[in-house]
Amino acid sequence: DAGITQSPRHKVTETGTPVTLRCHQTENHRYMYWYRQDPGHGLRLIHYSYGVKDTDKGEVSDGYSVSRSKTEDFLLTLESATSSQTSVYFCAISDRGHNSPLHFGNGTRLTVT
Amino acid sequence: ILNVEQSPQSLHVQEGDSTNFTCSFPSSNFYALHWYRWETAKSPEALFVMTLNGDEKKKGRISATLNTKEGYSYLYIKGSQPEDSATYLCALWEGGGNKLTFGTGTQLKVEL
Repeated sequence: DAGITQSPRHKVTETGTPVTLRCHQTENHRYMYWYRQDPGHGLRLIHYSYGVKDTDKGEVSDGYSVSRSKTEDFLLTLESATSSQTSVYFCAISDRGHNSPLHFGNGTRLTVT
Repeated sequence: ILNVEQSPQSLHVQEGDSTNFTCSFPSSNFYALHWYRWETAKSPEALFVMTLNGDEKKKGRISATLNTKEGYSYLYIKGSQPEDSATYLCALWEGGGNKLTFGTGTQLKVEL
């Protein structure tokens, strides 16, 4: 398995609280992504990074922010969690962009009550 | 938002059957098409990365073809086995971007 660790693996939080999910890689890959998985929607891109401090929005970025201050870490923050953000969140990495496959972490199951 | 469509949404086949799924996408301005296999309670795993028109990839009993001019890719599974049961995702890397957009997947169930 590619060296990707997501933390926490599970989290329950209350509406209105801030939440940060962490993705850590040991592969020195340039590209990092945050997706969310919801029934009927497959994987939808939240934010992605194409280098340190280089990030951009995906298709469902509202209510989320990200930071990448070093190659190995990509943080996803829910500024004020809402019930609609209850989901499974996957981090993925890629080294050469379009020609190389994504390697996924094990996912973080987030429940917002 | 880039529209990547997969069909059928779900499929039930018998062990030993061969099957195929379709991924459709806008045919202009893309760099690559990926296929992933996603088993329940696991993470998606890459099957193929395809970049050229007429590209064909094969891994064991699974193969894929790509038609960039008409905007589709087929994934074939020969002699389906119960362990092939999974959701199969295709994803498109747009030209000029740094991201992969996924279809909603085809859920395959292979029954004994």
